[in-house]
Amino acid sequence: NAGVMQNPRHLVRRRGQEARLRCSPMKGHSHVYWYRQLPEEGLKFMVYLQKENIIDESGMPKERFSAEFPKEGPSILRIQQVVRGDSAAYFCASSPLKTRTETQYFGPGTRLLVL
Amino acid sequence: GQQVMQIPQYQHVQEGEDFTTYCNSSTTLSNIQWYKQRPGGHPVFLIQLVKSGEVKKQKRLTFQFGEAKKNSSLHITATQTTDVGTYFCATPKNYGQNFVFGPGTRLSVLP
Repeated sequence: NAGVMQNPRHLVRRRGQEARLRCSPMKGHSHVYWYRQLPEEGLKFMVYLQKENIIDESGMPKERFSAEFPKEGPSILRIQQVVRGDSAAYFCASSPLKTRTETQYFGPGTRLLVL
Repeated sequence: GQQVMQIPQYQHVQEGEDFTTYCNSSTTLSNIQWYKQRPGGHPVFLIQLVKSGEVKKQKRLTFQFGEAKKNSSLHITATQTTDVGTYFCATPKNYGQNFVFGPGTRLSVLP
């Protein structure tokens, strides 16, 4: 059973470009969470999605950031017009069910560098 | 909003010494999870505690959940260089649909 997959693992963008980060959850998992981690800091929740639904996007910046989890295919975190402050590691995690006791399984992350 | 705090922020120990990190909240927690992140790696689930006063062990790691379910600790006995990393606690956000992570404790082990 493959783990959570994220790609690309490293992404370099110039200011103003778009970044698209992909996350394929573990097989059988229908819940996806996205987190951002700045260097030397903790994990900040961004968004929680189920298939075709955004359940909680309270941690997502209101502008330039969007996320989706279509019926088919991976979850996508999209950052438009990137700025240097967007440089961070972006992790997704998946879980099979939404209960308050579910373990989250993290992917390897995408390290975004904005030049 | 709900927050969980962790202390210490950093800990440097000599190999063989013990290590403890604490996770504290001002509100009662439904459960607490612990994760480890190696340098350059991703968080990996270690354990979940649900019951008041619960104690769980994994080899040299001992996890405790406070009686009031407002704090938790992770204790490592006789640290090894493989224990290096950042240890995070996490808990479901009250009335929310996501998890709150503590800021983490970064452990360095000197050989």
